[in-house]
Amino acid sequence: AQSVSQHNHHVILSEAASLELGCNYSYGGTVNLFWYVQYPGQHLQLLLKYFSGDPLVKGIKGFEAEFIKSKFSFNLRKPSVQWSDTAEYFCAVIGADKLIFGTGTRLQVFP
Amino acid sequence: DVKVTQSSRYLVKRTGEKVFLECVQDMDHENMFWYRQDPGLGLRLIYFSYDVKMKEKGDIPEGYSVSREKKERFSLILESASTNQTSMYLCASSLLGAGVGTEAFFGQGTRLTVV
Repeated sequence: AQSVSQHNHHVILSEAASLELGCNYSYGGTVNLFWYVQYPGQHLQLLLKYFSGDPLVKGIKGFEAEFIKSKFSFNLRKPSVQWSDTAEYFCAVIGADKLIFGTGTRLQVFP
Repeated sequence: DVKVTQSSRYLVKRTGEKVFLECVQDMDHENMFWYRQDPGLGLRLIYFSYDVKMKEKGDIPEGYSVSREKKERFSLILESASTNQTSMYLCASSLLGAGVGTEAFFGQGTRLTVV
């Protein structure tokens, strides 16, 4: 069965700090991987996605993620966070058409 | 732009009522999904559908049913609402199969309170 694990439940950073959020998945076949973001009071939005090719993918707002197949990981990174990055971040995997999410990571960025 | 529209932003229902949550998408997507979102638990898949009249159970289908009579519409039904079904419900749609374009698009959510 598919599953997704996010290791960090709550992350607190100061502006300009670097960010890395962990995501591991389990699925034996071909997967598509996603990071979604939910800003306070808003609906879920796609940050970035990986389907194939270059394992380092770049998304919106300066975010990037690296797919490491041998580690079943798809960690999200940003070199320098801003206060406006305060949100909840969800890793997701789709395989066999079932879209499964992790439990989410709440990021708080303080000025 | 893809649009996924959920019929209500907020609903308050009584225990034991039958509740219908409606979702419509305008991009001719094959896949549609219903999730519930609870603090600390993330998004949990209730049901999904990959075609008209087809449905598949997700991870937490108990107490719910779904209906997909038309491609653009996917309804979630709470047969007899209970207080533990108080939650945010999210609908999503996507194209079928792995590959470019299978990202999911979400509605704004329905916050359901069962009293």
